[in-house]
Amino acid sequence: GIQVEQSPPDLILQEGANSTLRCNFSDSVNNLQWFHQNPWGQLINLFYIPSGTKQNGRLSATTVATERCSLLYISSSQTTDSGVYFCAVAGTYKYIFGTGTRLKVLA
Amino acid sequence: SAVISQKPSRDICQRGTSLTIQCQVDSQVTMMFWYRQQPGQSLTLIATANQGSEATYESGFVIDKFPISRPNLTFSTLTVSNMSPEDSSIYLCSVAPRLGVFGEKLFFGSGTQLSVL
Repeated sequence: GIQVEQSPPDLILQEGANSTLRCNFSDSVNNLQWFHQNPWGQLINLFYIPSGTKQNGRLSATTVATERCSLLYISSSQTTDSGVYFCAVAGTYKYIFGTGTRLKVLA
Repeated sequence: SAVISQKPSRDICQRGTSLTIQCQVDSQVTMMFWYRQQPGQSLTLIATANQGSEATYESGFVIDKFPISRPNLTFSTLTVSNMSPEDSSIYLCSVAPRLGVFGEKLFFGSGTQLSVL
């Protein structure tokens, strides 16, 4: 089956810093999504991005399907950005989640 | 988007008992999924709940342990049967809202935090 690896596994930032999270997948996929799981466990859909680039405020994401890679950029990080970031790829009628990046932003 | 109500939000159960988790969506959806998230881990797909037919289980998950019902396009239940402490996890219901269209955005309920003593 499709393997989805994320890096780095853990990241600690000072408030205001920028960061790049990576998602690599082992096979062609139909689409890719990024999620943020807040400290209370709620999963929020950040981007639906099968290809190209999207931006939403301080966050942006880029997927290059031919390279089997997606990047999530967080600029001017805030403490509320803390949590776990997952990418999920759609194979054949199911979504496979990546290993996750645990982010902690320090005030 | 879709609004998903999942309950209970948390429970503490005794070994050997069963717990049924409910997932209610505010609109008809084709695809409903059940995931498990063990402590500190990523999400693992348990099964896809199919309306009008048996659920499709992933490798490592069986119907006797995790029976699923999907009586209509807005509701599903997951039962965790004969529980052991290893079943302590967060269980999440998710949907892909656009009827008949796979590959759309995935949305999640708030999850059920299960602890088994």
